[in-house]
Amino acid sequence: GDSVTQMEGPVTLSEEAFLTINCTYTATGYPSLFWYVQYPGEGLQLLLKATKADDKGSNKGFEATYRKETTSFHLEKGSVQVSDSAVYFCALSDGSGAGSYQLTFGKGTKLSVIP
Amino acid sequence: NAGVTQTPKFQVLKTGQSMTLQCAQDMNHNSMYWYRQDPGMGLRLIYYSASEGTTDKGEVPNGYNVSRLNKREFSLRLESAAPSQTSVYFCASHRSLEAFFGQGTRLTVV
Repeated sequence: GDSVTQMEGPVTLSEEAFLTINCTYTATGYPSLFWYVQYPGEGLQLLLKATKADDKGSNKGFEATYRKETTSFHLEKGSVQVSDSAVYFCALSDGSGAGSYQLTFGKGTKLSVIP
Repeated sequence: NAGVTQTPKFQVLKTGQSMTLQCAQDMNHNSMYWYRQDPGMGLRLIYYSASEGTTDKGEVPNGYNVSRLNKREFSLRLESAAPSQTSVYFCASHRSLEAFFGQGTRLTVV
């Protein structure tokens, strides 16, 4: 079955540091890939997505590139802020089933950014 | 802009009690989902409904039932709660590939 593996946290960075959170996946076919973010006490929000190989998703300074050859979708940001402190989830959808967009999630990586 | 609304936000149950978690979305989405979130486990799919009138099991359906009442509402029922069902429950609906999540229900079973 499908699976997502992401680096375990927690990750603690100083403000303005460079962020990388690794994510690799196993799936049949050509899944769509996502990064979701969960701020304290809230539900998950879509951060960015990529639907085919070599696509780059980007939002709020975060980027991730769909690498089919390495089955990876690493999240990066050049300069993190305190407000980026949250839990980040890598996820995939293989689009199986009529009308179904089931997501398979990684375990999440907690990021804390200190001033 | 209500989006996905879950009730209640918090609940404490005794082992063996039953309860229903409510979820409603106002975005006219066809598909709706229930996930549970446990520490170190990410989110796992319990049940989903690809469209009004259909429901299917996800990865961890045991101990749960669902009802897709209409296009807006998708409820999750615990018939006889167990401590292993202590978790945070999230409802989501989809617009194509993008999922919209509610704020979650934190359930404790003692």
